[in-house]
Amino acid sequence: EIVLTQSPGTLSLSPGERATLSCRASQSVSSSYLAWYQQKPGQAPRLLIYGASSRATGIPDRFSGSGSGTDFTLTISRLEPEDFAVYYCQQYGSSSIFTFGPGTKVDIK
Amino acid sequence: QVQLQESGPGLVKPSETLSLTCTVSGGSISSYYWSWIRQPAGKGLEWIGRIYTSGSTNYNPSLKSRVTMSVDTSKNQFSLKLSSVTAADTAVYYCAREPWVITTFYGMDVWGQGTTVTVSS
Repeated sequence: EIVLTQSPGTLSLSPGERATLSCRASQSVSSSYLAWYQQKPGQAPRLLIYGASSRATGIPDRFSGSGSGTDFTLTISRLEPEDFAVYYCQQYGSSSIFTFGPGTKVDIK
Repeated sequence: QVQLQESGPGLVKPSETLSLTCTVSGGSISSYYWSWIRQPAGKGLEWIGRIYTSGSTNYNPSLKSRVTMSVDTSKNQFSLKLSSVTAADTAVYYCAREPWVITTFYGMDVWGQGTTVTVSS
């Protein structure tokens, strides 16, 4: 089973700053099967990125995804107040199983 | 647009079976994979398993022995049963849609609002 590790656990930034979130896999992951989600308190997760770098419908272009193999990155170019949330990466593996990373919390500095 | 709504008992006794249903509205349940995900309070997301509209399933190995999923296309619903529950199964349970085209995964793009299930006597 592929294990996903996200870093940092918490990222404290100010609005307008750039956020760089990391997702590392214990073994190589197909980029086609790597997604990112945003979750705010009391809400369901929201799909941001699929296929490692494709934005989901309605997602602002300040969100971008990159990476391949075992290292993937979610970048928020300029943080807006509504972007402070928890972000999860997710992968789909060869045994038709999904796993999520533990999450990175982006909070206001 | 497509909406998902989880339903089921909010309180389940230890050792009993948790049963939840997800109703799909605003679109067809056909030709999609449908997943269940849970989240204990203050913790991360755990994928429980998925079902295709044909009835084909995949389960999280850590839960496989206790999980059963089913689909009722006539009602646009799919269901989760988790047996022999303990306090560790207390969580918010979400259902979600997985659009796939051949081998391309488009992410879990529609989620239910979640339903809280507490396991307690």
